Amino acid sequence: DGGITQSPKYLFRKEGQNVTLSCEQNLNHDAMYWYRQDPGQGLRLIYYSQIVNDFQKGDIAEGYSVSREKKESFPLTVTSAQKNPTAFYLCASRTGGFRGNQPQHFGDGTRLSIL
Amino acid sequence: SQKIEQNSEALNIQEGKTATLTCNYTNYSPAYLQWYRQDPGRGPVFLLLIRENEKEKRKERLKVTFDTTLKQSLFHITASQPADSATYLCAPVGQAGTALIFGKGTTLSVSS
Repeated sequence: DGGITQSPKYLFRKEGQNVTLSCEQNLNHDAMYWYRQDPGQGLRLIYYSQIVNDFQKGDIAEGYSVSREKKESFPLTVTSAQKNPTAFYLCASRTGGFRGNQPQHFGDGTRLSIL
Repeated sequence: SQKIEQNSEALNIQEGKTATLTCNYTNYSPAYLQWYRQDPGRGPVFLLLIRENEKEKRKERLKVTFDTTLKQSLFHITASQPADSATYLCAPVGQAGTALIFGKGTTLSVSS
């Protein structure tokens, strides 16, 4: 079945460590997104990519980095510069183009906690 | 700045009743409005999209309205069931929408 796979489901980070969250899709979508969800905060956009080898910062990009070397993959690195990384991270994708009528498809998230 | 408000964080109704969820937006002129359902510990799932020139859209027990004058969308679930219990998110998006901006969501609880 086509879809988005995020791994791991749960992730623990020690202070000062960088961690990388995986996101893979087999929907042949051009655009991919990373969101952060905190209780009572809704979804906030971290980074997005419209095409391979290109990505843009979202509203809360500080302390995060991404790469888009392959169409299917959009990993997110939470760096030690991110002071409050505990959250639920969601990856999404959609077909390309600048059309607002395309829905986003989401993975089932990675929950990151600080040890 | 753009602002999206969804009515009260929680909505409790009895099975069989109609649930009505509200999405208001300001400083924004979306061409589309999308609705998603999110279950605990899962990613959101797309439900419905309505265009600015559509007044109403239906899908099975779901109905969405879009009033660009009031800057509001209403999401209705008729004959609600306990399985409809979830958080519902709205996302207004422009014609050239590169990324979605979501409301905080309304958590619906349907009791039997």
